Amino acid sequence: SAVISQKPSRDICQRGTSLTIQCQVDSQVTMMFWYRQQPGQSLTLIATANQGSEATYESGFVIDKFPISRPNLTFSTLTVSNMSPEDSSIYLCSVERYGKETQYFGPGTRLLVL
Amino acid sequence: AQSVAQPEDQVNVAEGNPLTVKCTYSVSGNPYLFWYVQYPNRGLQFLLKYITGDNLVKGSYGFEAEFNKSQTSFHLKKPSALVSDSALYFCAVRDRIGNTPLVFGKGTRLSVIA
Repeated sequence: SAVISQKPSRDICQRGTSLTIQCQVDSQVTMMFWYRQQPGQSLTLIATANQGSEATYESGFVIDKFPISRPNLTFSTLTVSNMSPEDSSIYLCSVERYGKETQYFGPGTRLLVL
Repeated sequence: AQSVAQPEDQVNVAEGNPLTVKCTYSVSGNPYLFWYVQYPNRGLQFLLKYITGDNLVKGSYGFEAEFNKSQTSFHLKKPSALVSDSALYFCAVRDRIGNTPLVFGKGTRLSVIA
């Protein structure tokens, strides 16, 4: 497995502002992903964070709203831009090593937008 | 397209009794199957997975799951439930072929009553 940390663990933000969430892994991993878990819902994949290139977004998610960086094999950021109350969710980072089928998840960032 | 069904939103069981949390899946090829658990205000923790081989897989905290290809099911089981098992359980699937993302079920809330 991997030790994954996320910052911040939670935040309360005003609508129209942006928040950047950081994900740090204790060892190099091949794949990093960002998920959203809306209140009472399951997990939805936002995008795959690619090292050295643009993230790959799932249907319904766009780079302007959720810009992602992945400067190296242990770190990624997700920005939630121009927030509205509908963005209130838990945002989770997950990682996977090449050839290993299991994804491991960070503790999540709880975001409340007022 | 991949999909996962968890037909029960809530499962209640008395402490010491066996528990089952149901999951059925749909993939175009052969599946990788996973169970994760989410405790309140925590991220997802990996419980167990089926990749290949023995249809009965054992995981953390005494949980096990049985892969049934003919019924396309992967039900989670435990012989004797503990109050501390109370949490939200997610089944997830990905296709073996290609670099497909994990697809999650909607989750089942397990309540173990003392």
